[in-house]
Amino acid sequence: GALVYQYPRRTICKSGTSMRMECQAVGFQATSVAWYRQSPQKTFELIALSTVNSAIKYEQNFTQEKFPISHPNLSFSSMTVLNAYLEDRGLYLCGAREGDNKNTLYFGAGTRLSVL
Amino acid sequence: GQQVQQSPASLVLQEGENAELQCNFSTSLNSMQWFYQRPGGSLVSLFYNPSGTKHSGRLTSTTVIKERRSSLHISSSQTTDSGTYLCAFNTGNYKYVFGAGTRLKVIA
Repeated sequence: GALVYQYPRRTICKSGTSMRMECQAVGFQATSVAWYRQSPQKTFELIALSTVNSAIKYEQNFTQEKFPISHPNLSFSSMTVLNAYLEDRGLYLCGAREGDNKNTLYFGAGTRLSVL
Repeated sequence: GQQVQQSPASLVLQEGENAELQCNFSTSLNSMQWFYQRPGGSLVSLFYNPSGTKHSGRLTSTTVIKERRSSLHISSSQTTDSGTYLCAFNTGNYKYVFGAGTRLKVIA
């Protein structure tokens, strides 16, 4: 079956430092990967959608300069939170989509980021 | 904008009681999913349910597309069911819109 693994599951970084998180698709080809963030007391917001061989589309309020994403092949994507501060705390979720005509995203369990 | 309304916002049950959680969508949907978020925060996909009724153990999900709603029924609740239940819908593109969730607490 289709599975998505995210790691690390939890991480802590010092304010002003950066943190890289990874998303691995197993059992299917992840043509697109969507990254979401759930800030404390909020629901999930879409950060960006990455499609292999296409430009990454960032949502309003999220930029490549702050959340650079790499999607080098059909099984792996990574996102870095640069210069993290308290407002970047939360659960970061990746959802991977197979093919162009499927509407299901397979989600990982998330990476929880704490900032000291 | 596109929205998801989940109800109730929170719920406390005695172990063994049933629960009915609701999800209403502001626009027509192409597909939707139900998720369980553990108290520690990690997310588990429960159902991908674009339409109709699906069962998994003590869980039943029913989606009525034309009425833009979905429900999650939990029967014979257990303390381990405690956590947050989220629904999210897809309007036909990659973008999932999440609800705020229903926080469930089951007490022994």
